[in-house]
Amino acid sequence: EAQVTQNPRYLITVTGKKLTVTCSQNMNHEYMSWYRQDPGLGLRQIYYSMNVEVTDKGDVPEGYKVSRKEKRNFPLILESPSPNQTSLYFCASSPRQGVYSPLHFGNGTRLTVT
Amino acid sequence: RKEVEQDPGPFNVPEGATVAFNCTYSNSASQSFFWYRQDCRKEPKLLMSVYSSGNEDGRFTAQLNRASQYISLLIRDSKLSDSATYLCVVNGDYKLSFGAGTTVTVRA
Repeated sequence: EAQVTQNPRYLITVTGKKLTVTCSQNMNHEYMSWYRQDPGLGLRQIYYSMNVEVTDKGDVPEGYKVSRKEKRNFPLILESPSPNQTSLYFCASSPRQGVYSPLHFGNGTRLTVT
Repeated sequence: RKEVEQDPGPFNVPEGATVAFNCTYSNSASQSFFWYRQDCRKEPKLLMSVYSSGNEDGRFTAQLNRASQYISLLIRDSKLSDSATYLCVVNGDYKLSFGAGTTVTVRA
């Protein structure tokens, strides 16, 4: 089954404790992206990757890191999480970042930082 | 000004009713447009793309008005299962911008 898989689904952590949210897609998509969703703000892009070893900042990259060493995986790293990073996170992929390529989303990671 | 703006609703409608709502975008160079559906903080799923001439998919009709820079979604014969948040997504300069969503609640 074609899908984008994120783990974990839920995560509660404390300020400053490094964490990684994994994202993997099995569709051979070139483009992958991370979003956070907060009430009233819609989805905001954190980082994206056009292909292996190519990553770029989105609208809200501060406090996050990513890597794209393999085509299928695009982990999101929070080196020192803070409470303002409490949010719902989605990973997404598409065949390429073309004008007409809709996104396939993972099922989300709900992160709480205390 | 936000790049994509939506009326958050909620739109509360009875089963069988028609409901319609708009989404405005600020980038006149935007090239493609989509409606996504999101259930209860689950992942967004593509509902339909929006084409220049307007398009239908069953009970759903999407329209694009480039002159006024808005897209619309109309749902006919609403079902309980249509209750969801509908996200407007605009692609301009190879960047996707999301609206905050319009919530629709269909009641029996």
